[in-house]
Amino acid sequence: QSALTQPASVSGSPGQSITISCTGTSSDVGSYNLVSWYQQHPGKAPKLMIYEDSKRPSGISNRFSGSKSVNTASLTISGLQAEDEADYYCCSYAGSTTWVFGGGTKLTVL
Amino acid sequence: QVQLVESGGGVVQPGRSLRLSCTASGFTFSDYGMHWVRQAPGKGLEWVAVISYDGNYKYYADSVKGRFTISRDNSMNTLYLQMDSLSAEDTAVYYCAKEDTNSSFSFDYWGQGTLVTVSS
Repeated sequence: QSALTQPASVSGSPGQSITISCTGTSSDVGSYNLVSWYQQHPGKAPKLMIYEDSKRPSGISNRFSGSKSVNTASLTISGLQAEDEADYYCCSYAGSTTWVFGGGTKLTVL
Repeated sequence: QVQLVESGGGVVQPGRSLRLSCTASGFTFSDYGMHWVRQAPGKGLEWVAVISYDGNYKYYADSVKGRFTISRDNSMNTLYLQMDSLSAEDTAVYYCAKEDTNSSFSFDYWGQGTLVTVSS
């Protein structure tokens, strides 16, 4: 149950697009189409942004999109807005009814 | 609207026990699996445990297996986490999270968290 690998930080200017990567292994990210992404503002609970690699829950802006290639999942945020500044975590089902999170990425909107 | 409210956190000495609760409302609690996820101060999220909708199946992260017990009381719409043999490494905010309505493999609602501090 090793944590998935995310960059510690990414940044972008308003209106730009950024992508956050999430690298796992063939035992987790690569085995299932079950990566989810969470946004967490300081002092707040996480919020589901993407599930099953690329699906958006109701109410989530289409500026947020997810994708996956082999063992690496990605979250792309287009048209960056100041309110997108937060920590982002990926999470993958890891088999045997266990889950594993990434270490988190701090997004700074310049 | 869905609400999850954790309670029971506090300061506890190493080696002691603590029980967390999570009271649910706004959805049919007995229809969904429930999870505990924790976050050490300044650190990332860590999945801790899951319990099936009926309480018959329980699974744990290796880091807590044998020390933590997840349970639920569907008549009380309440989820529990019994934490024994606590150590400093268990210091964290503990969140309860509901199994996603659209996918059993993500978490669509979270509580506000309860802080557990293990310190002498």
